[in-house]
Amino acid sequence: GNSVTQMEGPVTLSEEAFLTINCTYTATGYPSLFWYVQYPGEGLQLLLKATKADDKGSNKGFEATYRKETTSFHLEKGSVQVSDSAVYFCALTPLGSGTYKYIFGTGTRLKVLA
Amino acid sequence: SAVISQKPSRDICQRGTSLTIQCQVDSQVTMMFWYRQQPGQSLTLIATANQGSEATYESGFVIDKFPISRPNLTFSTLTVSNMSPEDSSIYLCSSAGTSGTDEQFFGPGTRLTVL
Repeated sequence: GNSVTQMEGPVTLSEEAFLTINCTYTATGYPSLFWYVQYPGEGLQLLLKATKADDKGSNKGFEATYRKETTSFHLEKGSVQVSDSAVYFCALTPLGSGTYKYIFGTGTRLKVLA
Repeated sequence: SAVISQKPSRDICQRGTSLTIQCQVDSQVTMMFWYRQQPGQSLTLIATANQGSEATYESGFVIDKFPISRPNLTFSTLTVSNMSPEDSSIYLCSSAGTSGTDEQFFGPGTRLTVL
């Protein structure tokens, strides 16, 4: 079946540190992959996405590359800010399913210290 | 894109009562979803709500406990029935099927506390 595995948090970093949050997936075919962010007290917002192998999604300094060979979609940012403190969710939707249903990872809480 | 609002944003309810959560989308969408997010956990899909048909529930969720309405392409409600403290969660709605994209857009959530 389809599944998403994320690294466990919380992740605590100092401001301007490099961030990596690992995400690997299991799916049939070529799913679309997403990173969503949830700031405290808010709903989920799409951060970036990729729909095919080797695609790189990017937004607000965050990047993730769709790696079919390693079935991964790791989230990276070169220099984090305090305002990046949030919970990050990796998700997939199976290609061609027509259902638009998402499978979410467990979420990784990031805390950035000034 | 789609902008989604939910009402109420939060509520504190007594055991045994029911609460109806409203979800409004600013554009017509094909599919709407309802999720539950228990404290510190990921999102669990409750059901998919399609206009003109009954909602499709995921394993572990039943219509008697979580009745859903979808009267048109921009609106849906989720009722949490006969509540217990275990129902304390954030309930989120989302939409998909806009402009042929598989992206989901989420509402801000309803934080429910059951005493």
